[in-house]
Amino acid sequence: GESVGLHLPTLSVQEGDNSIINCAYSNSASDYFIWYKQESGKGPQFIIDIRSNMDKRQGQRVTVLLNKTVKHLSLQIAATQPGDSAVYFCAENIGGGADGLTFGKGTHLIIQP
Amino acid sequence: EPEVTQTPSHQVTQMGQEVILRCVPISNHLYFYWYRQILGQKVEFLVSFYNNEISEKSEIFDDQFSVERPDGSNFTLKIRSTKLEDSAMYFCASSIYRGSNQPQHFGDGTRLSIL
Repeated sequence: GESVGLHLPTLSVQEGDNSIINCAYSNSASDYFIWYKQESGKGPQFIIDIRSNMDKRQGQRVTVLLNKTVKHLSLQIAATQPGDSAVYFCAENIGGGADGLTFGKGTHLIIQP
Repeated sequence: EPEVTQTPSHQVTQMGQEVILRCVPISNHLYFYWYRQILGQKVEFLVSFYNNEISEKSEIFDDQFSVERPDGSNFTLKIRSTKLEDSAMYFCASSIYRGSNQPQHFGDGTRLSIL
């Protein structure tokens, strides 16, 4: 059959509001997770990471939460700004000596004025 | 802030031709990677490189692909005989230590278009 590109989920929030972007991962052996931001025409930009021995990590305006029980990762962005508009990807490393990251399909965050 | 740089930003090549994509990783990083992103799809891991040899490769990285660190600064991806389905964005990344516990920093990519 014909290969169809992924339809990205979209999250639209008002400027100044908080946003939460969710990601489900499938490999229970994954031990390292990263959130990336990708603006149009640019490469993935590192935002924040978290290891599997933690359940929360905070950065500047961003917080990542990890729930290993349900294999769920979320990225919270506080007080969103127009510059936060982008596609956000979660990525995981499956551990066991693997180098490569496995990326999720991304969420398109749109900031409404 | 140091960054990964990639050249060219856009490469157009006839099917069957060889193409070389170039990357300059962050200078104190020891691990280097190539990923690709076909339009509208996920970013996919191709290969990692450490200490002048391939550390890990995915199923995508078949015999038509090769990587090289020809000097102390450049890291290249060669596609020997390009196919239409090789059209994609190719991203180079680097990390200080192994990507299993260190963030990988990406360049802005090379858009490869195969005609």
